[in-house]
Amino acid sequence: QKEVEQDPGPLSVPEGAIVSLNCTYSNSAFQYFMWYRQYSRKGPELLMYTYSSGNKEDGRFTAQVDKSSKYISLFIRDSQPSDSATYLCAMKAAGGGNKLTFGTGTQLKVEL
Amino acid sequence: GAGVSQTPSNKVTEKGKYVELRCDPISGHTALYWYRQSLGQGPEFLIYFQGTGAADDSGLPNDRFFAVRPEGSVSTLKIQRTERGDSAVYLCASSAGLNSPLHFGNGTRLTVT
Repeated sequence: QKEVEQDPGPLSVPEGAIVSLNCTYSNSAFQYFMWYRQYSRKGPELLMYTYSSGNKEDGRFTAQVDKSSKYISLFIRDSQPSDSATYLCAMKAAGGGNKLTFGTGTQLKVEL
Repeated sequence: GAGVSQTPSNKVTEKGKYVELRCDPISGHTALYWYRQSLGQGPEFLIYFQGTGAADDSGLPNDRFFAVRPEGSVSTLKIQRTERGDSAVYLCASSAGLNSPLHFGNGTRLTVT
């Protein structure tokens, strides 16, 4: 079993929909949680960075962390065709720099 | 300002050959990371440098893989006796400090035939 599980999709939604992306994890040492967006043939781009449990909002994006359930989510409001990409969750323990453990990524397509 | 630069963007090599992949981090970033991303998977950690020294190389799959960062800036990932299973996108990332956000390059797509 992988330390981080993420549904690979693909997920297809109409423009304007609310998108929910999720990851579960098994390592209770993880303290920092991130969401990256990756366009085809590009490197991952950091979207959200959160520490421990709670919510964080940035524009149309909201990240939620529930450490008690070992479950994290990313919500995208008013989704746009430009949001079509692969979304990767990532997490790390305290210390150890940016040695991240990634999920497999969820491929999202937002259709007109 | 310039982001993380990786060269070449694509590399095709024959099984058994030696390859070098180069990473030029964001200027002033002290931490540099190498990850490998296979098709349909998330990136997997290989090694990271703090300055010139390798702080953690626990992700290198075997002794055919080696990385250097002699002057604390540019890094080279070296793969000896390449195998078809080494085919992947090799991503480099840098950060201003150990816990600062990572900035990734666009990767080198390595194909071993």
